[in-house]
Amino acid sequence: DQQVKQNSPSLSVQEGRISILNCDYTNSMFDYFLWYKKYPAEGPTFLISISSIKDKNEDGRFTVFLNKSAKHLSLHIVPSQPGDSAVYFCAARAISNFGNEKLTFGTGTRLTIIP
Amino acid sequence: DVKVTQSSRYLVKRTGEKVFLECVQDMDHENMFWYRQDPGLGLRLIYFSYDVKMKEKGDIPEGYSVSREKKERFSLILESASTNQTSMYLCASSSWTGSSYNSPLHFGNGTRLTVT
Repeated sequence: DQQVKQNSPSLSVQEGRISILNCDYTNSMFDYFLWYKKYPAEGPTFLISISSIKDKNEDGRFTVFLNKSAKHLSLHIVPSQPGDSAVYFCAARAISNFGNEKLTFGTGTRLTIIP
Repeated sequence: DVKVTQSSRYLVKRTGEKVFLECVQDMDHENMFWYRQDPGLGLRLIYFSYDVKMKEKGDIPEGYSVSREKKERFSLILESASTNQTSMYLCASSSWTGSSYNSPLHFGNGTRLTVT
């Protein structure tokens, strides 16, 4: 049962254009959403997050949008740069039955920026 | 800067062997996690620990166990390795934040385990 889904396994975007990565979730108990970026042979690194009580968070070239009614979030990267080529994972936080926080990750989208 | 170190980059083990994957973090974080990454499946949580000697099952704990004897160290144990446990294993840590969230996970670089 995949509670966090990224339906596009890959995406190619021209350098300088906007990259839009999408994520859908099913669990309405998720209260924070995060994006991680992963280069080959490295662990994922945190990029940006958003609380479920907000609909937008911006950090430099990165903006995350949350649509709670549609259970959908997206990451916008503007302008896209070659160094943005990586696998992007969307993640969602919930509190476990024992009161501890845990993150559930999506399947990832491989973003390729074309020079 | 938070450093999460996984003891092995690559491991090759035989079916039925007992396998230990070790992870150490240097930031005094309360929470530690083990994930596995597989193509098309993303990162899936195996086990996590929120304190020394405390553990909680993640989404796919079958075939695994964990040990947390010291705060900085979290071990993943495959009691009897099988070929379907061939995967990239990622350890992560975070600090306890109570009700507010501002502590993203910090990951190690992963251990690629092959079971033959």
